[in-house]
Amino acid sequence: ETGVTQTPRHLVMGMTNKKSLKCEQHLGHNAMYWYKQSAKKPLELMFVYSLEERVENNSVPSRFSPECPNSSHLFLHLHTLQPEDSALYLCASSQRGLPGYGYTFGSGTRLTVV
Amino acid sequence: GQQVMQIPQYQHVQEGEDFTTYCNSSTTLSNIQWYKQRPGGHPVFLIQLVKSGEVKKQKRLTFQFGEAKKNSSLHITATQTTDVGTYFCAGRSGAGSYQLTFGKGTKLSVIP
Repeated sequence: ETGVTQTPRHLVMGMTNKKSLKCEQHLGHNAMYWYKQSAKKPLELMFVYSLEERVENNSVPSRFSPECPNSSHLFLHLHTLQPEDSALYLCASSQRGLPGYGYTFGSGTRLTVV
Repeated sequence: GQQVMQIPQYQHVQEGEDFTTYCNSSTTLSNIQWYKQRPGGHPVFLIQLVKSGEVKKQKRLTFQFGEAKKNSSLHITATQTTDVGTYFCAGRSGAGSYQLTFGKGTKLSVIP
C-alpha cells in the first residue's frame, strides 16, 4: 500500500460509455496529479490540483474531466473515449514546498477502450 | 517546451555487471528526480538532486547531477535481479513549477 489508492485497477469501456476513476491519498499531501502512461511514451501530466488551484495540460482532450472535491480525493471522469486513450492512468500526490520529497504514485488504473 | 531525453532505452546486463542510465534536459533544471518502476508496478520515488555537481548514494546506486544542471546519471554497481525495472528521470525547470517532465525511461533487464 503506497498511501495513494486508485480504483478500479482495471477498466474496460466502450467508446460511448461514461466512467470515473477514483484516487484517494492518505498522506496529508497538498497536491494531486493525474498522469497518463502509454507504451513507448514518457509519463504525460494531465492535471494538477494544488492548494485548490487547478493546472492542466492544454493538450488533454475535453473527454477527460477532473474533479477534486477536497485535498484527499481526485477523480477523472471519462466520456466518449477513443481506443488511443487506452493506457495506464496514474494518480500521484506530493507535498509542495517540502524539499527533497518526490511524488507518491498509486498503483494505477489500466484502461482499455474498445 | 522542456524535453528530457534518457538513454539507453533498454539495457540487458549479466548479474553482477554495472549499469548506467543518462538523462539530458533541453533546459536548465532546478532539480531532478529519479524513479523506479518494477514490471507491472507503478513509479516509486528514489531520490531528488538539487545542487550543481551533486552526487548522492543509496547503497549500490549512485546519482549525479551535472555542473550545468542539464544532465544527470544513475549508476548501479554489481546489478542484482532485484534491480530489474524501468528507471525514469524527471526534471523540474522552476523550483515552484508544477511541471515535472519525465524521460521515457531505461528498461533494465538482469540476466541471472
